[in-house]
Amino acid sequence: DAGITQSPRHKVTETGTPVTLRCHQTENHRYMYWYRQDPGHGLRLIHYSYGVKDTDKGEVSDGYSVSRSKTEDFLLTLESATSSQTSVYFCAISESRGGRPVEKLFFGSGTQLSVL
Amino acid sequence: GEDVEQSLFLSVREGDSSVINCTYTDSSSTYLYWYKQEPGAGLQLLTYIFSNMDMKQDQRLTVLLNKKDKHLSLRIADTQTGDSAIYFCAEITDASGGSYIPTFGRGTSLIVHP
Repeated sequence: DAGITQSPRHKVTETGTPVTLRCHQTENHRYMYWYRQDPGHGLRLIHYSYGVKDTDKGEVSDGYSVSRSKTEDFLLTLESATSSQTSVYFCAISESRGGRPVEKLFFGSGTQLSVL
Repeated sequence: GEDVEQSLFLSVREGDSSVINCTYTDSSSTYLYWYKQEPGAGLQLLTYIFSNMDMKQDQRLTVLLNKKDKHLSLRIADTQTGDSAIYFCAEITDASGGSYIPTFGRGTSLIVHP
């Protein structure tokens, strides 16, 4: 299994509080992604990174920010959590070869976030 | 933008074959994937196919790709109750600026009856 660790695994927080989720990889892969999974919506991309300090928005980026100061860590921050951000959050990584991703996209085990 | 569509549910009897279908819109897709998600777990990569291939077989799994129709299918032979899960189709394509964005379908819930 790819070395991806998401923390925390479960989090309950209150509306209006900031929350940071962490994705840590030991594979030295270039690409890292944050997805959220909701019933009826499948997986939706929040933000992604294609290198240290190189990040970009996905389709549901409003209310979220990310940072990648080291290859191995990709942080997702909910600046002021809302109930609509209750979801399961998945981190994924992909290797790069010659600047292009290779075939394997690996996922972490997910973080269950509840915003009350 | 890119779009990946799947049917939401499929029900089969144990021992039968299951066929899960997926359509995508981006003709520049590089890789196409099938992932399996069991309840309460993350996504597990089942198999993948390069966009320049038509078919890939891996034990009980057969992936067929029709590039002309932008149609991908996953056939599971001799389906077992342990195959009950959500199956996600995904594709990765070259976004602007040289970034590569995986896009997922909503997932097909496969229910296997004894």
